[in-house]
Amino acid sequence: SQTIHQWPATLVQPVGSPLSLECTVEGTSNPNLYWYRQAAGRGLQLLFYSVGIGQISSEVPQNLSASRPQDRQFILSSKKLLLSDSGFYLCAWSITENTEAFFGQGTRLTVV
Amino acid sequence: GENVEQHPSTLSVQEGDSAVIKCTYSDSASNYFPWYKQELGKRPQLIIDIRSNVGEKKDQRIAVTLNKTAKHFSLHITETQPEDSAVYFCAASIDSSASKIIFGSGTRLSIRP
Repeated sequence: SQTIHQWPATLVQPVGSPLSLECTVEGTSNPNLYWYRQAAGRGLQLLFYSVGIGQISSEVPQNLSASRPQDRQFILSSKKLLLSDSGFYLCAWSITENTEAFFGQGTRLTVV
Repeated sequence: GENVEQHPSTLSVQEGDSAVIKCTYSDSASNYFPWYKQELGKRPQLIIDIRSNVGEKKDQRIAVTLNKTAKHFSLHITETQPEDSAVYFCAASIDSSASKIIFGSGTRLSIRP
């Protein structure tokens, strides 16, 4: 069966510090991978999606970046965090864009 | 690109009554419309989905309807129960090489005992 791992679960970082959130998927090949951000009381904002290794599409211009160094690994990064980067970050995968998306447990990021 | 709008943002209904959440989408090429439920502190999980070749789909107390002409789709929950309290998200996607799923802003549903 397929599983998705996302870590860490919670993170408190000072403004200006770097960020690296990692997501890995097991039990499937060539998944579509997604990074979403959920601000408090708001919806799921698509940040990045990837259909293959090294293929990253950005939805929202910001100080975040994403990379897919391996087929089932998706990384969300920032060189310098802003206060506005606080939120709940969710990684997800799907076989195609027209099938169920499976979400990781999420990372609650607080920038202080 | 695709834009999905969801209403209402919050909804409170008496236990046993029905709840309806509505979404509209902008891209007429969208052909897959899933609904996700997110309980407090947990990850979103799919509860029902519908494809563009179907107008309605039902699974026990949950049903989804799709009007492609008007570009809107709705989630209907009948005989609501306390465990239905959660945030519900609609989404839309297109079967193409541009593989992305766009979500609505969410509806916080509260069931009053």
